[in-house]
Order: sequence, then C-alpha cells, then structure tokens
Amino acid sequence: ILNVEQSPQSLHVQEGDSTNFTCSFPSSNFYALHWYRWETAKSPEALFVMTLNGDEKKKGRISATLNTKEGYSYLYIKGSQPEDSATYLCAFDNYGQNFVFGPGTRLSVLP
Amino acid sequence: EADIYQTPRYLVIGTGKKITLECSQTMGHDKMYWYQQDPGMELHLIHYSYGVNSTEKGDLSSESTVSRIRTEHFPLTLESARPSHTSQYLCASSAPGTGGLSGYTFGSGTRLTVV
Repeated sequence: ILNVEQSPQSLHVQEGDSTNFTCSFPSSNFYALHWYRWETAKSPEALFVMTLNGDEKKKGRISATLNTKEGYSYLYIKGSQPEDSATYLCAFDNYGQNFVFGPGTRLSVLP
Repeated sequence: EADIYQTPRYLVIGTGKKITLECSQTMGHDKMYWYQQDPGMELHLIHYSYGVNSTEKGDLSSESTVSRIRTEHFPLTLESARPSHTSQYLCASSAPGTGGLSGYTFGSGTRLTVV
C-alpha cells in the first residue's frame, strides 16, 4: 500500500502570516500530485494538479511546488486570511490507479 | 453548483437499522468512489466502480455494499448499522479515460452516527 504523508497535522496561524506545509509521496511510478482544499461542511475543492518535476503553480495567494525526484510537494499560503481555514489534502496519482490521499493538514487562521 | 450530490448530509440511526447513502453525479463520469473518513484520519477508499455493473472493494475493508446500475448513481448500503460504522462517507467521481489529471469531483459527504 502506497504511503502519502502530510505535515504538520494541524497548524494555527495569525491573520496575515504566511505559512507552508508538506506532502510526501513515493518517488516511483509518479503521474501527478493533486492538492485539494476541504472546508468544513463543504466538498473538497481542487486547487492544483502538478505533473512535472520543478512545477510551480499559483492561484492568488496560494502556490505549490513539486519535486518528483525526492517525492515531496510544498503548499504555500501568503498573507493567510480567516477564509483560508480548511483542511488541505494532497493526493498521489500513479496513472491508472486510484488516488492515494494524505491525512491532510488542518489550517486555522485566527483573526 | 454541485455536480455530485450526496444525501443525506447528516444521519443519526439506531443499531441494527439498514441504511442507504445516496450518491449521484450529472457529469457522465465512469469512475465513482466511496471514501470513509474518521475524525483526524485520512480518507480511506472503501469501494469504487469503473462503470455500470462494475464494483470493486477498496483498500479499507468495509461491511458496506455498493451497486452501479446506472452511470450516474452509486449508492452505498449498510444492511445492519453498528456504532463502529459511525464516520463520514464521501463520494467522488472522475472523468473517463484519464489517470486523473482532471482530478476527482467530490460530494459534500454524509456524516453518519449510529447510536
């Protein structure tokens, strides 16, 4: 069974702080790495799909990087806002197989 | 606007009852999935389907069963609910023929409590 890890498990930051967290995944048979944001009582929402080593994606204040050789991806949030509070999930995708999800990082942004 | 619908959102039910959690999608996706998540834990795949009349067990053993009679509908049934089944159940689907670059589309989940 493939293992996908995320750290930290939870994080509390003040509004305006920048933060980042990590997703670690197997470096073999890599096809894509997906990031999702999951707000309480809502559906997980796709943030990024990352496929190439060295990829960097950005959406507003959120960005992500990918290192497939060493098997990790970072998610960065610049100037955190209370509406960024959510659980951030990463999912490892090796083509043709089902996604393997990490346990998530629960972010709380305090006003 | 949701393209994948789960009902009910919340359910509290007594031990021994039979329950069906509904999941429907309007995107024509072939692949559908059921995940179970306990608080603070990762999503565990319990069932998936490649299309009509296809059902497979996931990585986590589950006493639930699923059916896929229509492309858009993937219900999950517990014949006799027990307190150990208390969890959140999340349904998802993905576009056909891809390894997932389009990703999964998720429902809002059903939070089940068995008392």
